[in-house]
Amino acid sequence: AQKITQTQPGMFVQEKEAVTLDCTYDTSDPSYGLFWYKQPSSGEMIFLIYQGSYDQQNATEGRYSLNFQKARKSANLVISASQLGDSAMYFCATGEAGANSKLTFGKGITLSVRP
Amino acid sequence: SQTIHQWPATLVQPVGSPLSLECTVEGTSNPNLYWYRQAAGRGLQLLFYSVGIGQISSEVPQNLSASRPQDRQFILSSKKLLLSDSGFYLCAWTRGKSGRPLHFGNGTRLTVT
Repeated sequence: AQKITQTQPGMFVQEKEAVTLDCTYDTSDPSYGLFWYKQPSSGEMIFLIYQGSYDQQNATEGRYSLNFQKARKSANLVISASQLGDSAMYFCATGEAGANSKLTFGKGITLSVRP
Repeated sequence: SQTIHQWPATLVQPVGSPLSLECTVEGTSNPNLYWYRQAAGRGLQLLFYSVGIGQISSEVPQNLSASRPQDRQFILSSKKLLLSDSGFYLCAWTRGKSGRPLHFGNGTRLTVT
């Protein structure tokens, strides 16, 4: 079984500053993936970044980077140079490495970017 | 490129009425397909997934059902809706290999009255 924990209350960040969104996970799978999604007020789920459990380096995608600490079972998302359009809900998810590709999601974190 | 279509975008239904939500994927073959539900202000809960035509796995027992009559078509149904069925329903697909993200449709906001 897999579990994602996102416990931060609503987060606020000043435009152009960096922000870290926390995620801890629990899984019994020896090989797994970690994902971050963004959900704006429109409701669509937008894939941001992926980290495999055996990847040697932390994943980066443009302004997004994933701070993966396997021993601590954490996969925090770092957004650099925040923009007003980054205001949204952010979900961390994990999935076992396998054909089913089912993802287990956390409850999400609300991020508000202040001008 | 691949696209996923989900409809309707919003739906208001009375308690006890039937439900049919449809999702189709274009630009790929033999995708894995998923139905998730999101309650207000909450995370996503996996309801059903399918790895092939006629192959449906249920994650949460409830009065909903899913069917996959064609390779790229996934349908979520109910014979009689409950108030607790209200929520935001999202269809998703992936190629089924590890490390591949789910790609979501725009969702259906269902209100059961």
